[in-house]
Amino acid sequence: DGGITQSPKYLFRKEGQNVTLSCEQNLNHDAMYWYRQDPGQGLRLIYYSQIVNDFQKGDIAEGYSVSREKKESFPLTVTSAQKNPTAFYLCASLGATNEKLFFGSGTQLSVL
Amino acid sequence: GQNIDQPTEMTATEGAIVQINCTYQTSGFNGLFWYQQHAGEAPTFLSYNVLDGLEEKGRFSSFLSRSKGYSYLLLKELQMKDSASYLCAVYRTALIFGKGTTLSVSS
Repeated sequence: DGGITQSPKYLFRKEGQNVTLSCEQNLNHDAMYWYRQDPGQGLRLIYYSQIVNDFQKGDIAEGYSVSREKKESFPLTVTSAQKNPTAFYLCASLGATNEKLFFGSGTQLSVL
Repeated sequence: GQNIDQPTEMTATEGAIVQINCTYQTSGFNGLFWYQQHAGEAPTFLSYNVLDGLEEKGRFSSFLSRSKGYSYLLLKELQMKDSASYLCAVYRTALIFGKGTTLSVSS
């Protein structure tokens, strides 16, 4: 079955550490997105990519980095510069017809 | 820029009808999405409107007026399992979400 796979489901970060969240899709979608969700809040856009080897900052890109070397993969690195990283992170992709944004199951990141 | 507003919370009883409003201001518009999200889970797709009018899908309907920057999600015959957050999102080059409306359905 086609879909989006995020891993890990839970992740813990130590102070000063960079961590990378994985997102893989086999839907052949060009566009991929990363969102952050804090408790009781909506989704805020971190980064997005509309095509391989290209990506744009969203509303809250500071302290995060991404790469898009392959169409299927859009990993997100939470750097040590992100001082408040505890949140639920969602990856999504959008097909060419733009009719439905598919979400992965999410990664809960916590700070030790 | 984009500004998307939804009520924070709503309550209703089983079997009732509820309407969740969403207003938006955006410099570009390619469509409006509604998603349902249960706590700790990823959002699930409910509807997509790109033209003005009403889209009906079972118990859920969504309406869009582009000239007014306004949409609503209508939920009929409410069930306890409809207790969730409902997210309105405007699509430009990316989907930008409102803060969501938490709906509580009681018996």
